[in-house]
Amino acid sequence: VQLVESGGGLVQPGGSLRLSCAASGFAFSSYWMHWVRQAPGKGLVWVSYINSDGSTGNYADSVKGRFTISRDNAKDTLYLQMNSLRAEDTALYYCAREVGGSSGWFAFDIWGQGTMVTVSS
Amino acid sequence: SSELTQDPAVSVALGQTVRITCQGDSLRSFYASWYQQRPGQAPLLVIYDKNNRPSGIPDRFSGSSSGNTVSLTITGAQAEDEADYYCSSRDSSGNHWVFGGGTKLTVL
Repeated sequence: VQLVESGGGLVQPGGSLRLSCAASGFAFSSYWMHWVRQAPGKGLVWVSYINSDGSTGNYADSVKGRFTISRDNAKDTLYLQMNSLRAEDTALYYCAREVGGSSGWFAFDIWGQGTMVTVSS
Repeated sequence: SSELTQDPAVSVALGQTVRITCQGDSLRSFYASWYQQRPGQAPLLVIYDKNNRPSGIPDRFSGSSSGNTVSLTITGAQAEDEADYYCSSRDSSGNHWVFGGGTKLTVL
């Protein structure tokens, strides 16, 4: 069971990047997936989620209108398209799998190692 | 700012018990989970569904909940427990997920 992110790098303010998260070892199409970021020396911040079939997603207010989450269940891959990037988007971006139970509990049980995005001129 | 509030730092003597708390109004309505993050590593789920541990998490880790506060307790803290700990839940609207600001645990 593994998640592997890629696509990070150095980009100028106003630029774009697309992150990918390749899943293996589990039925990717059955799970909600999330992106979580962590600026250097700072805490975890939730960014976005997408449901199992890709029909529904949501975003943190700080990225809404600039970032788009998507998935390709045939390729077992999650994406994050990031446009109009700002310096404050600089962070390590993790993808994470959500699991939950009928009582309403939920948790992020599998995390990738992250991909670094640096927004700087 | 986070809707979940944690103490920034806590310390515990080796072998003693420490409690890390997380407060937020949304915790009255939604479950929380806890994550351990060691330097340079990805977060690791340690507690979910109030007081359940994933396979491989030592039983010295436990969770509890009361009102708008959830707690992570480490009974008999070990040197390897030194890490940052984050709580997570939904926000008050239920439409977003949130993390607490994190608690840095030092084992003395």
